[in-house]
Amino acid sequence: DTGVSQNPRHKITKRGQNVTFRCDPISEHNRLYWYRQTLGQGPEFLTYFQNEAQLEKSRLLSDRFSAERPKGSFSTLEIQRTEQGDSAMYLCASSLFREIVNEKLFFGSGTQLSVL
Amino acid sequence: DAKTTQPPSMDCAEGRAANLPCNHSTISGNEYVYWYRQIHSQGPQYIIHGLKNNETNEMASLIITEDRKSSTLILPHATLRDTAVYYCIVRVSNDYKLSFGAGTTVTVRA
Repeated sequence: DTGVSQNPRHKITKRGQNVTFRCDPISEHNRLYWYRQTLGQGPEFLTYFQNEAQLEKSRLLSDRFSAERPKGSFSTLEIQRTEQGDSAMYLCASSLFREIVNEKLFFGSGTQLSVL
Repeated sequence: DAKTTQPPSMDCAEGRAANLPCNHSTISGNEYVYWYRQIHSQGPQYIIHGLKNNETNEMASLIITEDRKSSTLILPHATLRDTAVYYCIVRVSNDYKLSFGAGTTVTVRA
């Protein structure tokens, strides 16, 4: 399978614990996005990378959230001191960006986080 | 601020065309209309996009009105596997992100 891969698929944690999610984009895709989705809502943008550079972060991304994309390949999203409000599906997407008007995002199946 | 308006849900019969409306009355000249869909337990999937001309690909057709204030996504022969949430998104040509709304939940019935 050469699609976007996210691990783990499900994560259950206790409030206050740290969690880390991994995203492996499609090979050679230079852009990588993180989105968050709660039940009944569309995905909300969190942050994105152009190669290894993190170019933008949403106001939704509090100081407890950090994302990295070392070497411009896989990416990790870490949430420190999790809160019950962090419970959501965390989606990763990648694209081969050449011009924005024709950019197509390819999404992974997400990591479902439940904070107890 | 919502840039698009879609009906929350719609049903269609298997084998028939599904016409999904989207209102974007405040669209600007440099904004594109994108459609994605999300099947249950999966991430969104790109369908099609356009600026002002009608577009067609292997998945669907996109019809944009002449004033560009609304558009229709057409699934020519809906199958049960087309049951999903369909998102209509208006994207500025220099915007780095897609902003999803709540979408339309489409249920294809046998």
